[in-house]
Amino acid sequence: GENVEQHPSTLSVQEGDSAVIKCTYSDSASNYFPWYKQELGKGPQLIIDIRSNVGEKKDQRIAVTLNKTAKHFSLHITETQPEDSAVYFCAAKEPDDYKLSFGAGTTVTVRA
Amino acid sequence: NAGVTQTPKFQVLKTGQSMTLQCAQDMNHEYMSWYRQDPGMGLRLIHYSVGAGITDQGEVPNGYNVSRSTTEDFPLRLLSAAPSQTSVYFCASRYEGFKGNEQFFGPGTRLTVL
Repeated sequence: GENVEQHPSTLSVQEGDSAVIKCTYSDSASNYFPWYKQELGKGPQLIIDIRSNVGEKKDQRIAVTLNKTAKHFSLHITETQPEDSAVYFCAAKEPDDYKLSFGAGTTVTVRA
Repeated sequence: NAGVTQTPKFQVLKTGQSMTLQCAQDMNHEYMSWYRQDPGMGLRLIHYSVGAGITDQGEVPNGYNVSRSTTEDFPLRLLSAAPSQTSVYFCASRYEGFKGNEQFFGPGTRLTVL
């Protein structure tokens, strides 16, 4: 099955700086890579996703890049704000599998 | 739409007790799943279902049972609770198809087993 590794486990950034979280996956057939944000006491919520036929996707201050050759994908948050403080999860999905495989999560803290 | 709902929000059990965590979705999603979340271990899949009457095991199924009698409901049963099952449990549902794969999570159930 798919194995997803996520780094770093914790990340502290100054407000206004950028944050980058990286994930690697094991199965080269995986073709869907979502990112979830989990605020304290809530369930994870999708913030952005990318498919294997696209190298980069942006949505306002967040972007995701995918390197299929190296089997890694990254989340970039620019101009961080206090409300970006949360736990972020990456995930990967194989085309013939219903299951999403999640990384262990990154706790992001934005310092004011 | 209410999305994915879970009850209860909090529960304390004694070792050996049984209980059912409820999950419902009103989006007509075929795929539903249960995860547990423990510090430093991310979201681990317990059981999942690809439609009414069809269930399968995830990576940590021991000690849990599920059933899927309707599209809307996917309860998780703890047969004999153990302290190792202390965790936060999330139910999720997803549409599988050309419209996308966004998975929606419920608000979670925080379970403590004494």
